[in-house]
Amino acid sequence: GAVVSQHPSWVICKSGTSVKIECRSLDFQATTMFWYRQFPKQSLMLMATSNEGSKATYEQGVEKDKFLINHASLTLSTLTVTSAHPEDSSFYICSATIGGGGELFFGEGSRLTVL
Amino acid sequence: SQQGEEDPQALSIQEGENATMNCSYKTSINNLQWYRQNSGRGLVHLILIRSNEREKHRGRLRVTLDTSKKSSSLLITASRAADTASYFCATVRAGGTSYGKLTFGQGTILTVHP
Repeated sequence: GAVVSQHPSWVICKSGTSVKIECRSLDFQATTMFWYRQFPKQSLMLMATSNEGSKATYEQGVEKDKFLINHASLTLSTLTVTSAHPEDSSFYICSATIGGGGELFFGEGSRLTVL
Repeated sequence: SQQGEEDPQALSIQEGENATMNCSYKTSINNLQWYRQNSGRGLVHLILIRSNEREKHRGRLRVTLDTSKKSSSLLITASRAADTASYFCATVRAGGTSYGKLTFGQGTILTVHP
């Protein structure tokens, strides 16, 4: 099946720094990517929908200036957590689709810990 | 709030037993999907059932959908220790594409004891 790769798989940073997480579709072109956030033992919450070449669509309550999403190519979307704080510590998961009803593939997730 | 609510929140069974997880949702859907997540890992797609389907099978998995009750169930037969994971239902709203924007349920943590 198709592969979606996330990097880094885990990151620890100091409060106030910015962290970038990459989501790559390795063997297909992803017109749409989704970013989710998951707290321990909880469900996935959709943060934003990212379409190649256009601005991301953020879900209600998600700060677009805090979570910068860039989908510059058909195989790469990035999520940058700006000025991270301990409450931003979470598991971030991306998914990708070729669109038009194509199947959705999930990355392995990136665990962010902000000290 | 989450579209889907699942029960039980946690289920502990012995190997060989069947495991049943339930999911309820609130709005009209295009389809409902079940995913599996091993601890600290990404999601694996298990099965998709469309709004006009009532039951679907895949190996040891059986999914039912009752749109009148806005509920679905996932049955894993003859469970194995390797089935230990969290299981999530996810819905795509009516009018959405098949695998589009998903709204996840709270999940069921399944533990299968050898």
